[in-house]
Amino acid sequence: DSGVTQTPKHLITATGQRVTLRCSPRSGDLSVYWYQQSLDQGLQFLIQYYNGEERAKGNILERFSAQQFPDLHSELNLSSLELGDSALYFCASSRGQVGYGYTFGSGTRLTVV
Amino acid sequence: GQQVMQIPQYQHVQEGEDFTTYCNSSTTLSNIQWYKQRPGGHPVFLIQLVKSGEVKKQKRLTFQFGEAKKNSSLHITATQTTDVGTYFCAGLGDTGNQFYFGTGTSLTVIP
Repeated sequence: DSGVTQTPKHLITATGQRVTLRCSPRSGDLSVYWYQQSLDQGLQFLIQYYNGEERAKGNILERFSAQQFPDLHSELNLSSLELGDSALYFCASSRGQVGYGYTFGSGTRLTVV
Repeated sequence: GQQVMQIPQYQHVQEGEDFTTYCNSSTTLSNIQWYKQRPGGHPVFLIQLVKSGEVKKQKRLTFQFGEAKKNSSLHITATQTTDVGTYFCAGLGDTGNQFYFGTGTSLTVIP
């Protein structure tokens, strides 16, 4: 157990639907990061939050959005889902804003059918 | 945007052979981190390098940060089956505030 909790572990949904992925960071970590990993692909950075505020955006689609709540948990919302959105979505957390090692959760595997 | 490339993409070695993966950035990096992802698992932080020319060792693993801070390498001596997985480097640019992950090197160790 890395200390980063992601739910659900698996999600199967139809095209056009909307889903919410949830992440609870490791205790004491203020930064939360979301990454997308497609089959045999690397980790694509989506978005970062630090202590409730958005800090950096990567290749996140307009159909996707995220937020970090006062208790520091984060949610990634994926809407108008397409087949190509099927992937493993990882949340990671770190102590500070920059330069700390990331602790990854076990991921949410999203399958869009 | 910042790009971090790794070579090779795949590597198959006999158990006991050495293994090296290389990470190259198009821009100067302030930090570089290495992660290992076991098949079906999540990335696990291994180490962070900050200084130009820095070399760090963890048992059979040797990590190096280039003098120009644009490349890095991970060398595993005498691979074991427990070394199987994908190794990612992640670079932090001079003006960035989050790490960009490399494309990864998938290591297979043949017993």
